[in-house]
Order: sequence, then structure tokens, then C-alpha cells
Amino acid sequence: QVQLQESGPGLVKPSETLSLTCTVSGGSISRGASYWSWIRQHPGKGLEFIGYIFYTGSTYYNPSLKSRLTISVDTSKNQFSLNMRSVTAADTALYYCARAMGIGTSVDYWGQGTLVTVSS
Amino acid sequence: QSALTQPASVSGSPGQSITISCTGTSSDIGNYDSVSWYQQHPGKAPKLIIYDVSNRPSGVSHRFSGSKSGNTASLTISGLQAEDEADYYCSSYTTDSTLVFGSGTKVSVL
Repeated sequence: QVQLQESGPGLVKPSETLSLTCTVSGGSISRGASYWSWIRQHPGKGLEFIGYIFYTGSTYYNPSLKSRLTISVDTSKNQFSLNMRSVTAADTALYYCARAMGIGTSVDYWGQGTLVTVSS
Repeated sequence: QSALTQPASVSGSPGQSITISCTGTSSDIGNYDSVSWYQQHPGKAPKLIIYDVSNRPSGVSHRFSGSKSGNTASLTISGLQAEDEADYYCSSYTTDSTLVFGSGTKVSVL
């Protein structure tokens, strides 16, 4: 059973960089066709795809966020990370890390989510 | 990347069937059979209930079924139960090699 756990600051100042890490347990991040994903949910709103990464480092980003994003993977630690630059209050959301079974396929495992608030 | 269009809310009485639509474009739903549906209860992470248009993961009730026609996918919940009251989201693969989610539908059991 794959489990995912987000970690990182819950409060980020405007214009700074939001950094989150997802630790995967119960399976290797380097096996299979899985794409390791970041998805967010603004308070009381719907889900928004941020981006995902294959264990080789191939990344795909939401075009509307792409200029501010970097997703990276550390296979030795079984972790992947999200960096979002130049954040504003509009980036306040619940951030989920998750596993997509393959590129563009369904997301079958989700972390519990971590709330990130952008405020001075 | 525009969200797929879902009705904001759908309601039904216990035992009834309801259908939630998810409308996209030829750049997503219309071009791929990679449509998924998720159920989200308040304060919980989403749960996958349908993948690849009409397949149910192990353990998901047979009361959930999915279909697709053109640029529109649909989720039907038959024999509606109180526990089905939740938010439902569709998602699709896109020509950008990314995922796009629907706007979400709140299902109420009357």
C-alpha cells in the first residue's frame, strides 16, 4: 500500500518561494510507470493540477503555472518536491501530493494534504 | 488550462439514480479515453472511483458507473445512498500531456 506524506512550511510570505516535499512509503518511487503529482485545492474550491514528474526527472506542468514551477525527484530518499516561486495570496490552498498510475492517467493514491497560506 | 465543466450540484432521493456530466473539448475528453472520477467527502482527500472512462477500482461499489460520448463524460450513481453525499470531480488527460480536473459537483441526498 503506497502512502504519501507532504511536509513543508504552512506559511509563506508574498513574493517568496513555496517549497513542499512529499515522502513516499510502501513502494519505490523508481518503479513502474507512476507519475508523482502535485495537486492543489483552494479553500472551498475544486481541484487544480499543478504538475507531475517521472522518476527519471521528466516533468509536465500546468501551462498556467509553468513559469513559476519546479518539480524535482530524489530517488535515494524516495521523495519528490515542489517549488513555486513568486507566490501571492492566490496560491493559498491545500496542497496534495499524489500518484498518477501513468502519464495522464488516474490518481490512485493521495497524501492527506497540507495547507499553505500566503500572507505577510 | 480551463477546468472541465460540471454542474455545480445534483440531488436525488435515496434509491434513485443520478448522472453527473463532465464536458471538455477535443483537446482533452474528446481525444482520450483517460477520464477518471473522484469522490471527496468533507475534510478528506479525493478517492478514485472510476478510471479509463468506465472502470472501477477494486472495492468501489458497482453502483458507480462511467461513460463517454464525444467531448462529454458522465458518472451515474444508481441506488443513491446517504453515504454518496459528497463532492465529485472528473479529470482527463490533455494534449499538453497533463491532467485537467472538472469544476466539481456537490451531490446531495434528499
